[in-house]
Amino acid sequence: EVQLVESGGGLVQPGGSLRLSCAASGFTFRSYEMNWVRQSPRTGLEWVSYIGRSTSDIYYADSVRGRFTISRDNAKNSLFLQMNSLRAEDTAVYYCARGSRDGWELRFDNWGQGILVTVSS
Amino acid sequence: QSVLTQPPSVSGAPGQRVTISCTGSSSNIGARYDVHWYQQLPGTAPKVLIFGNNNRPSGVPDRFSGSKSGTSASLAITGLQTEDEADYYCQSYDNSLNAWVFGGGTKLTVL
Repeated sequence: EVQLVESGGGLVQPGGSLRLSCAASGFTFRSYEMNWVRQSPRTGLEWVSYIGRSTSDIYYADSVRGRFTISRDNAKNSLFLQMNSLRAEDTAVYYCARGSRDGWELRFDNWGQGILVTVSS
Repeated sequence: QSVLTQPPSVSGAPGQRVTISCTGSSSNIGARYDVHWYQQLPGTAPKVLIFGNNNRPSGVPDRFSGSKSGTSASLAITGLQTEDEADYYCQSYDNSLNAWVFGGGTKLTVL
């Protein structure tokens, strides 16, 4: 069974930093593209960042580029999101999401349970 | 405001058919990028309902179907059941934003 478990969320002041982790199990992690997707009442579902199987391909949404850094450790089946210079508008539930194509455009075929990040003073 | 536009809510009685629209533009759905649909039950993470415009993952009932034409896509649900009450989201890729994009979501109420 595919499992994705996020950790590292919490309350942080504006301008602060947090590092999210996602522990993957139940599939060959190194064979899959991985993503972070966030959800808030203000913006709904929003794709945040993508990392390819070998980390050579990395993409960010305009809203986080230059502040967030995605990375992965295939040996430890883990995905990370380093979030710096956090703003109130970054407040959301952050999901780790596995990407699949199977001949189609990328879809998010498995999601973690989500972790809440609150940016507030 | 989401790149893909969905109605905020739809409703129907048990057994009825409802459709949820997803309107995009020439830089996403109209550029022939696939549309995927997700179902999000209360308090849970989204789950793929339809992928590649009209394909159902194993385990998804054939009451759910998808279609795409031009710059729009639709999700149809027939034989509505109370357990279908959820939020539904469409998703595609946008080549002007260079980003994967979602619709704003549609809340389905089964009356």
